Amino acid sequence: DAGVIQSPRHEVTEMGQEVTLRCKPISGHNSLFWYRQTMMRGLELLIYFNNNVPIDDSGMPEDRFSAKMPNASFSTLKIQPSEPRDSAVYFCASSPPRTSGRFTYEQYFGPGTRLTVT
Amino acid sequence: AQSVTQLDSQVPVFEEAPVELRCNYSSSVSVYLFWYVQYPNQGLQLLLKYLSGSTLVKGINGFEAEFNKSQTSFHLRKPSVHISDTAEYFCAVSEGTSGSRLTFGEGTQLTVNP
Repeated sequence: DAGVIQSPRHEVTEMGQEVTLRCKPISGHNSLFWYRQTMMRGLELLIYFNNNVPIDDSGMPEDRFSAKMPNASFSTLKIQPSEPRDSAVYFCASSPPRTSGRFTYEQYFGPGTRLTVT
Repeated sequence: AQSVTQLDSQVPVFEEAPVELRCNYSSSVSVYLFWYVQYPNQGLQLLLKYLSGSTLVKGINGFEAEFNKSQTSFHLRKPSVHISDTAEYFCAVSEGTSGSRLTFGEGTQLTVNP
C-alpha cells in the first residue's frame, strides 16, 4: 500500500501569495488530519475530516487558512494570503474507519510539506 | 479534556546506554496511548501503542513502554541505544470516544552520542 502522499514536499513563496498544499490519504481511510509543526509551538492539529466532512477546525489559525476534502482521496490546505509566520512543516495524516478490521486508533503520517514564506 | 506532558524536552545519552523518555497524561476516561518517532526531515511513524491488555508493550527497534494507570504515565524505554535512535519522540493519547483523534505531547529530542 502506498502511504499518505503529500505535495509539494517543499514550497518557497513570497508573503502575500496563495499557497495550496495537497494530500492523498491511504486508500480506504476515512479520517484525515492536517497538522502544523514549528519549533515554537510543536505539533498542532489544524483540522480533521471524517468521511470528507470537517469535524473540528478549531485549530485553524485564522481566516487566511482553509481546508477542503472534495472526495475520499484528496484534501487541500490553502493559505491566502501567506505570511512569514506561516513558515512551518505541514503534515497530513489518515486513519481507517472504526468499523474496519484495520482500525487501531493509529494515524498514518505523510512526509510533510516544508513551507517557507519570505 | 485530555492532555499529554513530556517531561524532558531534550535527552542526551551515550551509545549503548539505557534511556527512558517520560510521558504523563491526564484524562477523565480510559485512554489509548502511543509513541511516535520522527527522524530528521521525515514524518512521524508509530513506535508502539497501548490499547488494552498487558501494560508492558513492545515496539519496533527494541523500544518498550509501560502503561501505569495509577500514575497516569506511559514512559518509553530502551536498554541500549544506538546512534541511529537519534530522533524526536512524541507521546500521544486518544480517548477513544473521539475516534482516532490524537493529542500529542511537546516532543522529546533524543540525541545519542558516540
